[in-house]
Amino acid sequence: DTGVSQDPRHKITKRGQNVTFRCDPISEHNRLYWYRQTLGQGPEFLTYFQNEAQLEKSRLLSDRFSAERPKGSFSTLEIQRTEQGDSAMYLCASSSSGFTKNIQYFGAGTRLSVL
Amino acid sequence: ILNVEQSPQSLHVQEGDSTNFTCSFPSSNFYALHWYRWETAKSPEALFVMTLNGDEKKKGRISATLNTKEGYSYLYIKGSQPEDSATYLCAFTSGSRLTFGEGTQLTVNP
Repeated sequence: DTGVSQDPRHKITKRGQNVTFRCDPISEHNRLYWYRQTLGQGPEFLTYFQNEAQLEKSRLLSDRFSAERPKGSFSTLEIQRTEQGDSAMYLCASSSSGFTKNIQYFGAGTRLSVL
Repeated sequence: ILNVEQSPQSLHVQEGDSTNFTCSFPSSNFYALHWYRWETAKSPEALFVMTLNGDEKKKGRISATLNTKEGYSYLYIKGSQPEDSATYLCAFTSGSRLTFGEGTQLTVNP
C-alpha cells in the first residue's frame, strides 16, 4: 500500500494522559498536513510541514499540541494532558510542492476518545 | 476568516435519482477548489480540483462545475447508486492549507 498511513486507527485515553499519533506520508511527497475533524464539522487545519520545517500552525494548535517531522518523512502529533474536548478524528495528508494544484492525499485518520 | 458553506447538510435519495450539492466559498484570494468523497472508516478520496472560472470536471457519473467570480461550485451525481453513499466535502485553498465546508452526507437507498 503506497497511500498515507496513520497509526493507531483508534485511541482511547483518560483525561490528563499524553497521546502520540504517527503519520507516514506518500514517500515522494515533501508536504505533510495535520487536520482535526469533530462530529458534524469539516476537517480543520492544524499544521503543515515542508520537508522537516513546520511552516504554518493554526491557532487551534494550543501549547499542549506539538508536531514534529524530524527527517522530513514520517510525522508525529503529540497531545499532552488530554482534555475531553480533544476527542476528534485526527487526519494526516500529504502532497507534493510541485505544480499539482496542491492535491492532498489523506490517511484514514486516528480517532481519539478522551474519557 | 474564511467561510466555506455546503448545502444541503444531508440528503436521502433513491437509487437511480440524480442529485446535486452546492459549495460556496470566498471569491477573493482564490487558488483552487477541491471536492473530496469520504466513506465511513476510509480515507477522504480526492474527486476533483478546479482552478479556473468555468472549469468543469467529470469522473464517471460525477461531475463538478466552478464559478470563481461568484464563489460557488456544484457537484452533480447522475443516476445515484448505493455505493455513492458518503460525505462529500468541498475545500477552498488560497495557499497551502485547505479550508473545508461541513460536508453533505448523501444516503442512496436501494
